[in-house]
Amino acid sequence: RKEVEQDPGPFNVPEGATVAFNCTYSNSASQSFFWYRQDCRKEPKLLMSVYSSGNEDGRFTAQLNRASQYISLLIRDSKLSDSATYLCVVNRADSWGKLQFGAGTQVVVTP
Amino acid sequence: DAGITQSPRYKITETGRQVTLMCHQTWSHSYMFWYRQDLGHGLRLIYYSAAADITDKGEVPDGYVVSRSKTENFPLTLESATRSQTSVYFCASKVGGQSTDTQYFGPGTRLTVL
Repeated sequence: RKEVEQDPGPFNVPEGATVAFNCTYSNSASQSFFWYRQDCRKEPKLLMSVYSSGNEDGRFTAQLNRASQYISLLIRDSKLSDSATYLCVVNRADSWGKLQFGAGTQVVVTP
Repeated sequence: DAGITQSPRYKITETGRQVTLMCHQTWSHSYMFWYRQDLGHGLRLIYYSAAADITDKGEVPDGYVVSRSKTENFPLTLESATRSQTSVYFCASKVGGQSTDTQYFGPGTRLTVL
């Protein structure tokens, strides 16, 4: 079983709509959680960190559920520029810098 | 503000040849990483380095060698390239050892082994 699992999608979303997707992680010792964005196999870029209480950054909202071991990302008012692959990333407490990446969820925003 | 760069960006080589991928960062970050990305897989860690002259294996180190004689450079060498090493390779760096520190990625090297 992969340590971080994501629905590969694609999630086809009309412009202006809301889309949400989850990521599950298997290691309960996981400590830090992130969403990265990757465009067309370019380099991943940090979208947002995910905090225990949940956090919001503009149109993006991230939630963490430690009991069920998943994190979620919600995108409101989708823009064409939101089309990308979203990578769920987890860092275990015992591996300071060694991130575990999900394979990504593809989002396609259509006009 | 160059940040983190990789060279070459594209490379085609033949099975059995030695190939070196270069990574250079201008931030003086202590930590550097090499990942490979293949379809259907997330990024997988090949090697990492906590400081100059300190390196360690990641998840998929076989067939790769790294060195870090200077803080800003972290070359990755494929000693004898195989077709299974065809992939996109990303170098990354981060400032410190906190799990919450952001990793910054280079633009990637697309390697094809024929």
